[in-house]
Amino acid sequence: EAGVTQFPSHSVIEKGQTVTLRCDPISGHDNLYWYRRVMGKEIKFLLHFVKESKQDESGMPNNRFLAERTGGTYSTLKVQPAELEDSGVYFCASSHDRHTEAFFGQGTRLTVV
Amino acid sequence: AQSVTQPDIHITVSEGASLELRCNYSYGATPYLFWYVQSPGQGLQLLLKYFSGDTLVQGIKGFEAEFKRSQSSFNLRKPSVHWSDAAEYFCAVALYSSASKIIFGSGTRLSIRP
Repeated sequence: EAGVTQFPSHSVIEKGQTVTLRCDPISGHDNLYWYRRVMGKEIKFLLHFVKESKQDESGMPNNRFLAERTGGTYSTLKVQPAELEDSGVYFCASSHDRHTEAFFGQGTRLTVV
Repeated sequence: AQSVTQPDIHITVSEGASLELRCNYSYGATPYLFWYVQSPGQGLQLLLKYFSGDTLVQGIKGFEAEFKRSQSSFNLRKPSVHWSDAAEYFCAVALYSSASKIIFGSGTRLSIRP
């Protein structure tokens, strides 16, 4: 069984550009989560999807970040326009439901220069 | 406020030596407690979790953790480390057992001395 897959593994963009990160959850997992670790800080929750609906987006830092999960399968996280402070590692995780173990992807390292 | 503290940013131990990584937490309700590990180039992997029952929890890769309510601690231990244990370790708390709004500590980087 494939795990949680994230694309790309590493992205380097200039300040002001747009970047889209993708997460493919484990097949059949309705719950999908985004987290990020900004350099030198803790890993922080961004948002939680249940199927295609946003269950909780309280961790989204500002309106430059847009997450979607059309069709309830894969999810994208778009940063537009990117700022220097957005640099970090973005993790995605998925779980069957809220009470079962979640599995994390390997993360996307975003560098904004 | 809800928080997780890992006081050690970086620890180096010799291969074969014992290991203890410290974790203290502050949480309003009774939380799930987790330890995750991130090896180089890998994602976050769950080592173990605790919610109730026996306060000594066994995990994968020979790790265990002990919950001490009086100290609000959940320290991770391993009796004999291997070079492959070099990684970053994260203590975390959450209201649910999944990945819903997990609060992570800042991580402890473990280096292994040959």
